[in-house]
Amino acid sequence: GDSVTQMEGPVTLSEEACLTINCTYTATGYPSLFWYVQYPGEGLQLLLKATKADDKGSNKGFEATYRKETTSFHLEKGSVQVSDSAVYFCALSDSGGSNYKLTFGKGTLLTVNP
Amino acid sequence: NAGVTQTPKFRILKIGQSMTLQCTQDMNHNYMYWYRQDPGMGLKLIYYSVGAGITDKGEVPNGYNVSRSTTEDFPLRLELAAPSQTSVYFCASNQGGSGANVLTFGAGSRLTVL
Repeated sequence: GDSVTQMEGPVTLSEEACLTINCTYTATGYPSLFWYVQYPGEGLQLLLKATKADDKGSNKGFEATYRKETTSFHLEKGSVQVSDSAVYFCALSDSGGSNYKLTFGKGTLLTVNP
Repeated sequence: NAGVTQTPKFRILKIGQSMTLQCTQDMNHNYMYWYRQDPGMGLKLIYYSVGAGITDKGEVPNGYNVSRSTTEDFPLRLELAAPSQTSVYFCASNQGGSGANVLTFGAGSRLTVL
């Protein structure tokens, strides 16, 4: 079945440092790929998405490129802020079905220190 | 626009008790989901629904039941609570079609079974 593997955390960075959180996937067909973010005490919310190979999703300074050849969707940000502290989840859609189910990675906790 | 509303936010149950987690959405979304989130394990799909009167099992349905009598509501029932059901539960919805795969999450319900 479909699966998502993302970088183990926790990740601790200083403000203005560069961030990369690795995400690779296994899927049949052509899934859409997502990054969701969960701030403390809240539900998940969509950060960015890409629906086909070579698409780049971006939002709030974060970027991720859908790489079909390496089955990857790594999350990057050039300069993190304290407010970026959260848990980040990589996810893929069930492209083979019609019920739009998402499969999530285990999440990566990011802490940014001032 | 309230989005997805879950109640209660917190609950402590004794082993063998039953309870219902409520979820309602006001976006007229057809698709609704229940996930559980355990530390370091990401989100696991419990049940989902593609419309009123239609429900189906996800990855981890044992010990739970759902119903979908209206488009708005998707309650999750625990019949005989067990310590293994201690978790944070998230309800989510999406509209399907061109907005497929972008889930809107509730704020979560933290359940402890002692």
